[in-house]
Amino acid sequence: AQTVTQSQPEMSVQEAETVTLSCTYDTSESDYYLFWYKQPPSRQMILVIRQEAYKQQNATENRFSVNFQKAAKSFSLKISDSQLGDAAMYFCAYRSQFTSGTYKYIFGTGTRLKVLA
Amino acid sequence: NAGVTQTPKFRVLKTGQSMTLLCAQDMNHEYMYWYRQDPGMGLRLIHYSVGEGTTAKGEVPDGYNVSRLKKQNFLLGLESAAPSQTSVYFCASSSRTDDYEQYFGPGTRLTVT
Repeated sequence: AQTVTQSQPEMSVQEAETVTLSCTYDTSESDYYLFWYKQPPSRQMILVIRQEAYKQQNATENRFSVNFQKAAKSFSLKISDSQLGDAAMYFCAYRSQFTSGTYKYIFGTGTRLKVLA
Repeated sequence: NAGVTQTPKFRVLKTGQSMTLLCAQDMNHEYMYWYRQDPGMGLRLIHYSVGEGTTAKGEVPDGYNVSRLKKQNFLLGLESAAPSQTSVYFCASSSRTDDYEQYFGPGTRLTVT
């Protein structure tokens, strides 16, 4: 069974600085997707970035980028030029292969990011 | 488009009471999911549906039932609520045509006393 581990329950960053959130996962599959979701105080889950395992190039979305290390099963999220609006809970998620008629997502336990003014 | 909506947003139940959470999506998505979110546990899949009239168990299905009588609606039922079911419940939907990206509702906070 696949597992996703976020070992940092809470992180803090100064406004305008850079922060990296860690995520490791365990799987025997070779083809899969990885995601980072943001959950602000409103509770709405917002997709931040996604990475296909077969792609060697790290995904980037504006100030958000990932460091995907497939062999090490590591998928960290880097937030550059942090803004107050980045304060939220961040979840790492793994999407398994298509089985039983659908894809299943496995979520980590989350990292709460605080942004200090 | 409203996307994915959930009703109600908050609810307090007494132990043994029953209730139904409604999830509705207006994106014509084939797949729908119910998750629960607990502190320190992330999101865990309760039940899911791959199409109208079909449902399947997820990781933590005990104590819950679901129905998908219409493609746009996915109902989550608690027949006899227990304090262990105090949680935030999220519904999500996805589609083949959108590479199965999950779209989430705003969540329902349920407290069982």
